[in-house]
Amino acid sequence: GQQVMQIPQYQHVQEGEDFTTYCNSSTTLSNIQWYKQRPGGHPVFLIQLVKSGEVKKQKRLTFQFGEAKKNSSLHITATQTTDVGTYFCAGAGGTSYGKLTFGQGTILTVHP
Amino acid sequence: DTGVSQDPRHKITKRGQNVTFRCDPISEHNRLYWYRQTLGQGPEFLTYFQNEAQLEKSRLLSDRFSAERPKGSFSTLEIQRTEQGDSAMYLCASSLGWAGAGTDTQYFGPGTRLTVL
Repeated sequence: GQQVMQIPQYQHVQEGEDFTTYCNSSTTLSNIQWYKQRPGGHPVFLIQLVKSGEVKKQKRLTFQFGEAKKNSSLHITATQTTDVGTYFCAGAGGTSYGKLTFGQGTILTVHP
Repeated sequence: DTGVSQDPRHKITKRGQNVTFRCDPISEHNRLYWYRQTLGQGPEFLTYFQNEAQLEKSRLLSDRFSAERPKGSFSTLEIQRTEQGDSAMYLCASSLGWAGAGTDTQYFGPGTRLTVL
């Protein structure tokens, strides 16, 4: 079945440093979605990427979808303490339009 | 609050007991999903509904698990004869979903945390 791998598992940064998490799928995706989950919270939707090579920005966050639609990345510029949480990518693909396959997540810790 | 709601938020039960969780999706969302999340992992897909039709079930969903969405609005997830391995956060999500839309944005509820003693 479809697998989505995400690295790194943990990332500790000083406030103001940049952060990147990478996501790789074993199969071609129809789209990829990114979620943020705060400690004790539930996943909150950040963005969806659909087109090959697509790049989207949300303030300090930049999301990319690979040309082959099998990988994606999330980059945060100049991290802030409010960025703390777990970032998940979730891929949709194949014939299963409803199902999202989540990566293991990257836990981001920001030291002030 | 017009988001996805789930009830109860926490459930502690003894092994062998049956439990039922409820999810109320965002109004007018046609699709409803159930996921399970254990500590340190991403959510794992269990099943989803398009209106009242259950369109897909994960192989993770054993015969002890059943989900319904009888009127295409709220949904229930029942676990029979609970086992300690069922302890997890059970997340519900909903999306607009329309014919041919593929996968659209899923909005998650706060989850029900199940502890099986």
